[in-house]
Amino acid sequence: EAGVTQSPTHLIKTRGQQATLRCSPISGHTSVYWYQQALGLGLQFLLWYDEGEERNRGNFPPRFSGRQFPNYSSELNVNALELEDSALYLCASSSDLGTGYTFGSGTRLTVV
Amino acid sequence: DAKTTQPPSMDCAEGRAANLPCNHSTISGNEYVYWYRQIHSQGPQYIIHGLKNNETNEMASLIITEDRKSSTLILPHATLRDTAVYYCIPLELNNQGGKLIFGQGTELSVKP
Repeated sequence: EAGVTQSPTHLIKTRGQQATLRCSPISGHTSVYWYQQALGLGLQFLLWYDEGEERNRGNFPPRFSGRQFPNYSSELNVNALELEDSALYLCASSSDLGTGYTFGSGTRLTVV
Repeated sequence: DAKTTQPPSMDCAEGRAANLPCNHSTISGNEYVYWYRQIHSQGPQYIIHGLKNNETNEMASLIITEDRKSSTLILPHATLRDTAVYYCIPLELNNQGGKLIFGQGTELSVKP
């Protein structure tokens, strides 16, 4: 069974640009979660999508947005990039929380 | 969401049992206790979860006190590959929010 896949692995952007990160959940998983982990800091919850709808979002500005497609894959968009957006962005999926989330390996976003 | 307290770091000798404590004194009756770990720069990995009873799987054992105010994750025979940050996370399984909120965790160092 393929795990959660994220692309790209690394992304370098200039301040003010937009970044798009992608996540493909495990087959059959309908929920996708996004987290941000800045260097040396903990994992911060960003967004939760389920069945194509945004169910919850963390304490992040509106320039962090995303969507979930009919095949349950998801995109995270970050507009007007700032230097402090540099972080590891992790995606997780689940179908039944009784089995826990499965995380991808992340996208390392660097803003210069 | 219930707050957790974990020691920031612990050491364990290879081959010995690693006992990682977590205090979650404000946990509600509907909240499970989930444990995850994150090996450096990788996505977090689900370990185990429980509600009231002790649980065991191929990775670890989870001991939850009778009053549910604390729990201990036990890695019975720690190896160098178990060096990671371990997170204890209370989570209520409902449609209002399935998001995991990560605290600071315990950095476990397994030494030869």
